[in-house]
Amino acid sequence: QVQLVESGGGVVQPGGSLRLSCEASGFTFSYYGMHWVRQAPGKGLEWVAVIAHDGTNVYYGDSVKGRFSISRDNSKNTLYLQMSSLRPEDTAVYYCARVDEWPAGCVYWGQGSLVTVSS
Amino acid sequence: QSALTQPASVSGSPGQSITISCTGTSSDVGAYNYVSWYKQHPGKAPRLLIYDVTNRPSGVSNRFSGSKSGNTASLTISGLQAEDEADYYCCSYTSISTVVFGGGTKLTVL
Repeated sequence: QVQLVESGGGVVQPGGSLRLSCEASGFTFSYYGMHWVRQAPGKGLEWVAVIAHDGTNVYYGDSVKGRFSISRDNSKNTLYLQMSSLRPEDTAVYYCARVDEWPAGCVYWGQGSLVTVSS
Repeated sequence: QSALTQPASVSGSPGQSITISCTGTSSDVGAYNYVSWYKQHPGKAPRLLIYDVTNRPSGVSNRFSGSKSGNTASLTISGLQAEDEADYYCCSYTSISTVVFGGGTKLTVL
């Protein structure tokens, strides 16, 4: 069955960096675009970034542009989110999601990985 | 990229129908038929209910339906059930190839 498993979350100081991973299984990873979506504690969903199935096109939300980088390694069935210059407002659960119905219909989501930015 | 506008909360009694609106602009909701809707229970990942304005993925009840007029999309839930109580989010593709979510609507089943 389709599985998306995020890892790499944790506590980081403001200004620090962190890399999230999303390991995919149960499907041909290289066929699908992937999103990162986050949710701050008690808040709504916020779109972070998307990457095309082959990594050729990437797009970012305004709040993370220039600080976050989405990438993928199709040989390892893994999606990444490199986060730098982290701010307290980046504190959130980060979900990866598979693009099943382009551009934003995502049937499959990971369980989420909590990132806490705090001194 | 301003968030799409949804009512903070709606409520209804079992068996009734409710509609949640999602207002954007001519650069997102009004520009494309790429509006999707998600349901989320606290602490859980979102679940896709509607994509491309009106389409339901396999396994989603036909009690859920979507529509759009101009810059406003809507999700209608008919035959309200206790299990429908959750947070609902709309989502749209934009003219700059990004995605934007609505602020979310908390549905209470009375």
